[in-house]
Amino acid sequence: GAGVSQTPSNKVTEKGKYVELRCDPISGHTALYWYRQSLGQGPEFLIYFQGTGAADDSGLPNDRFFAVRPEGSVSTLKIQRTERGDSAVYLCASSFSGEDTQYFGPGTRLTVL
Amino acid sequence: TQLLEQSPQFLSIQEGENLTVYCNSSSVFSSLQWYRQEPGEGPVLLVTVVTGGEVKKLKRLTFQFGDARKDSSLHITAAQPGDTGLYLCAGARSGSRLTFGEGTQLTVNP
Repeated sequence: GAGVSQTPSNKVTEKGKYVELRCDPISGHTALYWYRQSLGQGPEFLIYFQGTGAADDSGLPNDRFFAVRPEGSVSTLKIQRTERGDSAVYLCASSFSGEDTQYFGPGTRLTVL
Repeated sequence: TQLLEQSPQFLSIQEGENLTVYCNSSSVFSSLQWYRQEPGEGPVLLVTVVTGGEVKKLKRLTFQFGDARKDSSLHITAAQPGDTGLYLCAGARSGSRLTFGEGTQLTVNP
């Protein structure tokens, strides 16, 4: 079956602009996670959805970052007033509810110039 | 804050050699996952270990979960150039966020 998909694969934007990153999880997975990964490091947690609601958003670095999952499937990570320090690979993962094993998408590489 | 310490951070070996990667924490996890990641791609799941003391084998890869469920190791026998990649361990606590180690960048030279 289809895995987790993310679009776009690459996004280049200018400092101060707004960006949206999309994640389409594995069908039937009710849990969805966003992580951010800097070069050569492990992913860092941003936010976790159980269904439509954010169960844990403690990893969002500041109020410029926001994520939604209005129908409990596709999720969008939104970043306002982007800064150069936001440049990273943004990874999405999904899992069945209550299960530890998460399956990752290919990521979106965000570059803020 | 939970912390997973992974070592070594970098490893460069010759084809045919054996290697072990370690993942240690002071926290107990409900399970631990190992992932492999190649440049430009997302992490790909290799294995999930759940029970303390558990050993799982995947061809030339052997994964072990510590008795106290705080640490894990990955052993690769007779490494091949195709094993090259970033190996990540990640601890889970009952279906919530994963806490990742910093990764081990493995290079296997032909």
